[in-house]
Amino acid sequence: DTEVTQTPKHLVMGMTNKKSLKCEQHMGHRAMYWYKQKAKKPPELMFVYSYEKLSINESVPSRFSPECPNSSLLNLHLHALQPEDSALYLCASSQGGLTNEKLFFGSGTQLSVL
Amino acid sequence: AQTVTQSQPEMSVQEAETVTLSCTYDTSESDYYLFWYKQPPSRQMILVIRQEAYKQQNATENRFSVNFQKAAKSFSLKISDSQLGDAAMYFCAYRTGGRQGAQKLVFGQGTRLTINP
Repeated sequence: DTEVTQTPKHLVMGMTNKKSLKCEQHMGHRAMYWYKQKAKKPPELMFVYSYEKLSINESVPSRFSPECPNSSLLNLHLHALQPEDSALYLCASSQGGLTNEKLFFGSGTQLSVL
Repeated sequence: AQTVTQSQPEMSVQEAETVTLSCTYDTSESDYYLFWYKQPPSRQMILVIRQEAYKQQNATENRFSVNFQKAAKSFSLKISDSQLGDAAMYFCAYRTGGRQGAQKLVFGQGTRLTINP
């Protein structure tokens, strides 16, 4: 199994809603990542978990709250989002966080905030 | 801070022909890694090829090869015998080396490649 699975594939939410994005991998990887990608732009790193500990937070607003309950699962909790937060949210994983290793990406969750 | 520049927003090539995508980067580091990722309409980012900066030999993966010019800070991707399935957005990316732990990937703006049948 070389897949990173993200659910849901699409999400529409209001600015007062609370929702969560889910990411799962069963490759035994110990580093997991959240990226945000606006239309026609490159992905931008949001968070990195290494061995279930938050190792990088790219100054992301607190309305985005990541969680890594175990080494296979990564969540992104959303609360009080703004319309400008509408984007594709990509999850990725890698073996152990070494700098030359391959990142495996999921197909993303397309988020629309109304 | 490191920056990655892709100067070609769009490229097109005839099926079975060869195309080269350009990438330049700016860094003061000597130890780093460079990658090309493709993003087809399925939206999943897929690693195409990677290059360690300390290696002089250019990386090759089947029909994909790179021309890595460290002094010029250039990292172009050559796709030979282009196939319809190669149509995608291609991102050049940079990653700091020499440290343990997860490191940030810095992406260029991307080049959209179209394959004409």
